[in-house]
Amino acid sequence: DIQMTQSPSSLSASVGDRVTITCRASQGIRNDLGWYQQKPGKAPKRLIYAASSLQSGVPSRFSGSGSGTEFTLTISSLQPEDFATYYCLQHLSYPWTFGQGTKVEIK
Amino acid sequence: EVQLVESGGGLVQPGRSLRLSCVASGFTFDDHGMHWVRQVPGKGLEWVSGISWNSGSIGYADSVKGRFTISRDNAKSSLYLQMNSLRAEDTALYYCAKVVLGLYFDNWGQGTLVTVSS
Repeated sequence: DIQMTQSPSSLSASVGDRVTITCRASQGIRNDLGWYQQKPGKAPKRLIYAASSLQSGVPSRFSGSGSGTEFTLTISSLQPEDFATYYCLQHLSYPWTFGQGTKVEIK
Repeated sequence: EVQLVESGGGLVQPGRSLRLSCVASGFTFDDHGMHWVRQVPGKGLEWVSGISWNSGSIGYADSVKGRFTISRDNAKSSLYLQMNSLRAEDTALYYCAKVVLGLYFDNWGQGTLVTVSS
């Protein structure tokens, strides 16, 4: 099975900061990775698919990069509505696996 | 409007069974793979199981393999999760989610809460 190691588990940042979240796969997964945002009490929302493709309607301050085993989600200028928990998900093969999540909190 | 409505959750004793359902509307159900994802309140997301549009490809998390069975009825636009031999660690909010092009989840239900406790 493919393990996804996401870091950091939490971070504190200010509005306007650049934020980077990383996911590492235990084996190569090509670009079969997505990023999701979840706010308390809500279902997750898609942000990025195929590692670097921005979902329709998602602000351009979000970007994804990487291929193989290392992937990054970057928020170029953190906005108040971006405080949430972020997850990566690999879908190369069953079982699909999520990263442990990164909680982005207000500094 | 796409809607996914889960049901079937509740309080169940360890070792017992439960069947979750997810009724879909607002899209062509048999065009899409469907999955179950669970979340212990306050914790992270855990992928549980997935099924392709024609049930030809099915997968399970190791934590549920051999105990849970995913199925779908395209005529009823419904997804199911038969959960047997339930354990306390299966306690979670269970979401169904629609897959697009095998690449991402674009719609989720509101979730149904399963509590396994004596």
